[in-house]
Amino acid sequence: DADVTQTPRNRITKTGKRIMLECSQTKGHDRMYWYRQDPGLGLRLIYYSFDVKDINKGEISDGYSVSRQAQAKFSLSLESAIPNQTALYFCATSDAQGAFPDTQYFGPGTRLTVL
Amino acid sequence: AQSVSQHNHHVILSEAASLELGCNYSYGGTVNLFWYVQYPGQHLQLLLKYFSGDPLVKGIKGFEAEFIKSKFSFNLRKPSVQWSDTAEYFCAVTRFGNEKLTFGTGTRLTIIP
Repeated sequence: DADVTQTPRNRITKTGKRIMLECSQTKGHDRMYWYRQDPGLGLRLIYYSFDVKDINKGEISDGYSVSRQAQAKFSLSLESAIPNQTALYFCATSDAQGAFPDTQYFGPGTRLTVL
Repeated sequence: AQSVSQHNHHVILSEAASLELGCNYSYGGTVNLFWYVQYPGQHLQLLLKYFSGDPLVKGIKGFEAEFIKSKFSFNLRKPSVQWSDTAEYFCAVTRFGNEKLTFGTGTRLTIIP
């Protein structure tokens, strides 16, 4: 499913480096999300965006920032990477159903390793 | 705080066995419920979802789930599993007016041929 794409797919970096993960979608959805997945913890929400001018923190936003450059693009930055940010990162999009977000569609993930 | 519990961390079954994976959530208001599947090396895909109506919902690949409001549960079932069902399964919940999709910790399912 190429509706949601993420780059890079894998990245190894060193502590203190700035890293940007990019997400693009062709589904035409307004809502976009960034999650991280850690073994035994499921997925946790980092940031989400309703549209280009609306950015919101999720449950674990410390150490991360985001930019919504266009409806179709939502990037995640680690300003100064640390080893406990080693994880699998997923971007997702969704449409809205009234006050309920609808099904979320996930990208293939970026595996980030911070040494 | 809203939480989702999946008590089975790893389930091992033989092909053709029946499957039931448990999911319980803590929020008492109106919720939307989802099951996602993650096959090895792949991204999460939607198996099925419940928004309203018939509490027994059917999804792809022969999976179904039953919403029991009184038990705050949304268990996933399949009558006869296949080797290709080997994957990790995540239950997720979102509630009215809240953008957050809360995931359970996942259940790893291994099917032995």
